[in-house]
Amino acid sequence: TQLLEQSPQFLSIQEGENLTVYCNSSSVFSSLQWYRQEPGEGPVLLVTVVTGGEVKKLKRLTFQFGDARKDSSLHITAAQPGDTGLYLCAAKAQGGSEKLVFGKGTKLTVNP
Amino acid sequence: GAVVSQHPSWVICKSGTSVKIECRSLDFQATTMFWYRQFPKQSLMLMATSNEGSKATYEQGVEKDKFLINHASLTLSTLTVTSAHPEDSSFYICSARGDRSQSYEQYFGPGTRLTVT
Repeated sequence: TQLLEQSPQFLSIQEGENLTVYCNSSSVFSSLQWYRQEPGEGPVLLVTVVTGGEVKKLKRLTFQFGDARKDSSLHITAAQPGDTGLYLCAAKAQGGSEKLVFGKGTKLTVNP
Repeated sequence: GAVVSQHPSWVICKSGTSVKIECRSLDFQATTMFWYRQFPKQSLMLMATSNEGSKATYEQGVEKDKFLINHASLTLSTLTVTSAHPEDSSFYICSARGDRSQSYEQYFGPGTRLTVT
């Protein structure tokens, strides 16, 4: 069973601080995705990383895919209250399946 | 583009009744849709894969006779929770897989909150 371990599980910071969320696995993935989910809503895709060592930036969010394609990180610079939400990493199951396996998520709270 | 809707957004039903949830891809066709459930403060758990024109594929531990899935068209999949019980109360989310023009990404609906009393 492939697992995606996310850390930390909870994170509460002040506006303006930086933070990093991690997504780790013992499995190799062809791609990995990051989603953000707000209470009572479905997940919204932030980014898909495909190449080992790849770095993608989305405004104040920086996503990195590990060289071995087993792990990924999400770094937020100068966090804002609007960044509050549940951040989920996900990857397709092995064997060419279209099914997504999700990590347990990181609940981020940015206090004004 | 790539918008997925769900209806209803929330529903309250009595124990023993059945509830149908619709998932629609509004601006693209989806041969494959997925149904997830999410308990409070937990991640998404895949329930089943819905394929247009064929039977759904259920994940281990998910009762196919309790959670009936129908994918009658390329833009609509339905999930019917039969004989609902309080333990079925959850947040149900669908996703639809886009085609090549959408890089085969999954796009999620806004979810349906089911409460069984």
